[in-house]
Amino acid sequence: EVQLVESGGGLVQPGGSLRLSCAASGFTFSSYSMNWVRQAPGKGLEWVSYISSSSSTIYYADSVKGRFTISRDNAKNSLYLQMNSLRDEDTAVYYCARAQSWEPTPADYWGQGTLVTVSS
Amino acid sequence: DIQMTQSPSTLSASVGDRVTITCRASQSISSWLAWYQQKPGKAPKLLIYKASSLESGVPSRFSGSGSGTEFTLTISSLQPDDFATYYCQQYNSYSFTFGPGTKVDIK
Repeated sequence: EVQLVESGGGLVQPGGSLRLSCAASGFTFSSYSMNWVRQAPGKGLEWVSYISSSSSTIYYADSVKGRFTISRDNAKNSLYLQMNSLRDEDTAVYYCARAQSWEPTPADYWGQGTLVTVSS
Repeated sequence: DIQMTQSPSTLSASVGDRVTITCRASQSISSWLAWYQQKPGKAPKLLIYKASSLESGVPSRFSGSGSGTEFTLTISSLQPDDFATYYCQQYNSYSFTFGPGTKVDIK
């Protein structure tokens, strides 16, 4: 069974940093591209970042470019999101989501999400 | 970046109704479009990919169509489990934009 479990969320002050992790199991992690998607309270979905299976291709939404860094460790079956210079508007539930394949494709499995709250 | 719009933003319908949601892209995305269903407090669920391909396990009452800039999601006969918010997402470019969502609620 495919499982994606996010961790690392919490309360952080504006300008602060946080590192999210996603532990993957039940599939060959190194064969799939991965995404981070977020959802602000009461709002719609916002795609944040994409990383290919080998980490050779990385994309970011304009709203986080230069502040967030996506990475993965295929040996540890883990996906990460380093978030720096956090702003109030980064407050959201952050989902780790598996693409259907090694290519940029829709997300067929999602974690339960981890809440990041940016507030003073 | 490619912008996505959806209409309507809210749709009131009854069980058994045929429901259609429209998604438009600001430029051609060929058929690189997906549809998701999300219920409150839950992660999204993939319904349709490549504009019209049904994800495994998704009921056949869901269907997708379109190409280029205009796409539709159709639920042929709305069931109680289908009341939710629906999002389209393009994956044509290097920024995988979601639409703003369409909430389907009970009439």
